[in-house]
Amino acid sequence: KAGVTQTPRYLIKTRGQQVTLSCSPISGHRSVSWYQQTPGQGLQFLFEYFSETQRNKGNFPGRFSGRQFSNSRSEMNVSTLELGDSALYLCASSLARGSSYNEQFFGPGTRLTVL
Amino acid sequence: AQSVTQPDIHITVSEGASLELRCNYSYGATPYLFWYVQSPGQGLQLLLKYFSGDTLVQGIKGFEAEFKRSQSSFNLRKPSVHWSDAAEYFCAVGLNDYKLSFGAGTTVTVRA
Repeated sequence: KAGVTQTPRYLIKTRGQQVTLSCSPISGHRSVSWYQQTPGQGLQFLFEYFSETQRNKGNFPGRFSGRQFSNSRSEMNVSTLELGDSALYLCASSLARGSSYNEQFFGPGTRLTVL
Repeated sequence: AQSVTQPDIHITVSEGASLELRCNYSYGATPYLFWYVQSPGQGLQLLLKYFSGDTLVQGIKGFEAEFKRSQSSFNLRKPSVHWSDAAEYFCAVGLNDYKLSFGAGTTVTVRA
């Protein structure tokens, strides 16, 4: 079974631009979460989607948004890019939501550089 | 405040020696506990997890971790380190909100 895939793997943008990152979860997985990883702040939760609905959101400004499609694929969008948005963006998928916690499987990430 | 602490930023260990990485958490209830490993330029790979039951859990690559409720700890161990174990290790906790909170990470260097 294929793992979580993220595209593109690398991106270079300039301040003020916007960017869209894509994540395809493991087949059959319905929950997709996004994390930002930076040297200064470490790994921080952005948001989680399940059944095309955002179920949970971290402490990020409204410039960060996302969506999930009916096939569980997810996109993350960052508008009006700032230098501080340079980071590795990780997507994780899990099987479902239920009474017990489902482990998350991570993709390789998209490295975003903002100049 | 809820938090995950990895006290050691960097650990250097000789190949063949044992390794122990510390993780402490501060949550009202016992969370779900995880250890992930990240090699340079890669995503996170799950080493092991603790949900309930036996407090000593076995993972992949010869790693194990012990949950100690009284100490709010979930330390990762490996009896004999290989050069390929050089990486960054993250302890993570999850509650029923499906959001993982990560420690700051511990970088492991393996010397020959």
